[in-house]
Amino acid sequence: QPVLTQSPSASASLGASVTLTCTLSSEHGDYHIAWHQQQPEKGPRFLMKVNTDDTYRKGDGIPDRFSASTSGAERFLTISSLQSEDEADYYCQTWGTGFQVFGTGTKVTVL
Amino acid sequence: EVQMVESGGGLVQPGGSLRLSCGGSGFTFSNYAMNWVRQAPGKGLEWVAVIGDDGGSKYYADSVKGRFTISRDNSENTLYLQMNSLRAEDTAVYYCAKSAVAATEGYLDYWGQGTLVTVSS
Repeated sequence: QPVLTQSPSASASLGASVTLTCTLSSEHGDYHIAWHQQQPEKGPRFLMKVNTDDTYRKGDGIPDRFSASTSGAERFLTISSLQSEDEADYYCQTWGTGFQVFGTGTKVTVL
Repeated sequence: EVQMVESGGGLVQPGGSLRLSCGGSGFTFSNYAMNWVRQAPGKGLEWVAVIGDDGGSKYYADSVKGRFTISRDNSENTLYLQMNSLRAEDTAVYYCAKSAVAATEGYLDYWGQGTLVTVSS
């Protein structure tokens, strides 16, 4: 099964941009992933599915400020024009036959 | 609007049992695989189990295999998780999550609000 590695934390100022990274284990670099947001004291929310060809499909109502990209085994989530409500935990997720795997999550702080 | 509403959580003693339910609405329930995902206090997300659209395929995380059973009733648009032989480490918020596809391999595109299970004496 793939292993997804995320940095524990990231921060940026209000109105700035931040890029989060999710790294797939080396032998699983061709897996698609999804990004999920979890605001404090809330359930997770699907943000987008990221394909290996650098295309992505967003969930309902996800603002244009959220975008994604791919480079090798790395998957990126960029949040532009940071808002206070973007302060949350962000998880990447991948899947296969008989399993779902989540990254350890990145806590984003808006300064 | 797609919605999932979990219920059935509560306090249970170690070794006890509990059954969680998740009602789905706003989508054709029988067309999609469904998952249970849990989150221990202060921890990250952990996948628990998945069931295919027709209930024919089921898979479990190693941590719950042999103790938990996932099932669904498509006539009632309801997903279940029967949890037996509960341990302290099963204490978590349990989320119901819809898959984006009918098969068990797919990403999760909608989540419920969760129900808290506490295993303690």
